[in-house]
Amino acid sequence: NAGVMQNPRHLVRRRGQEARLRCSPMKGHSHVYWYRQLPEEGLKFMVYLQKENIIDESGMPKERFSAEFPKEGPSILRIQQVVRGDSAAYFCASSRSPFLNTEAFFGQGTRLTVV
Amino acid sequence: KQEVTQIPAALSVPEGENLVLNCSFTDSAIYNLQWFRQDPGKGLTSLLLIQSSQREQTSGRLNASLDKSSGRSTLYIAASQPGDSATYLCAGSGNTGKLIFGQGTTLQVKP
Repeated sequence: NAGVMQNPRHLVRRRGQEARLRCSPMKGHSHVYWYRQLPEEGLKFMVYLQKENIIDESGMPKERFSAEFPKEGPSILRIQQVVRGDSAAYFCASSRSPFLNTEAFFGQGTRLTVV
Repeated sequence: KQEVTQIPAALSVPEGENLVLNCSFTDSAIYNLQWFRQDPGKGLTSLLLIQSSQREQTSGRLNASLDKSSGRSTLYIAASQPGDSATYLCAGSGNTGKLIFGQGTTLQVKP
């Protein structure tokens, strides 16, 4: 049973380009969470999705960021018109149910560098 | 609003020492508490999960406890080894169903 798979592991984008980060949850997991880790900072919650639904996007910046988790395929975190401040590590986690009494499993992350 | 604080921010110990990492949270309405390890440039590895009905969990040289009434969790590492050097993160979940993370404790175990 493969773990949470994120790709790419490293992504370099020029300012103004789009970044697409992909996350495939563990088998049997229908809950996906995205977190951002800025240099020298902790992990900050961005968005919580179930299949085809956004449950909680309270941590998402209001502009340029969007996320989806379609019925088929991986979850996608999309950042449009990237700026240098978007440079960070983006982690995806999945679980069988909401993180109430369920263990969370994280991917290895995508490290985005905006040049 | 749940906030999670970890003390100390950094810790350096000689090999073989037993040590305690602390985690405190502001909202006692916490469902579970999970400890993670993060190596530089890597992802998060789950170490221990303490569910809402439990008070502690053990795995090998690691023991984590949870005291909801005082809003605290501790991670105890016995007989520390250089391979234990990493950043340790605690995270709690409330009724919103998402994990809130502390800033982490960076541990260095010297040979």
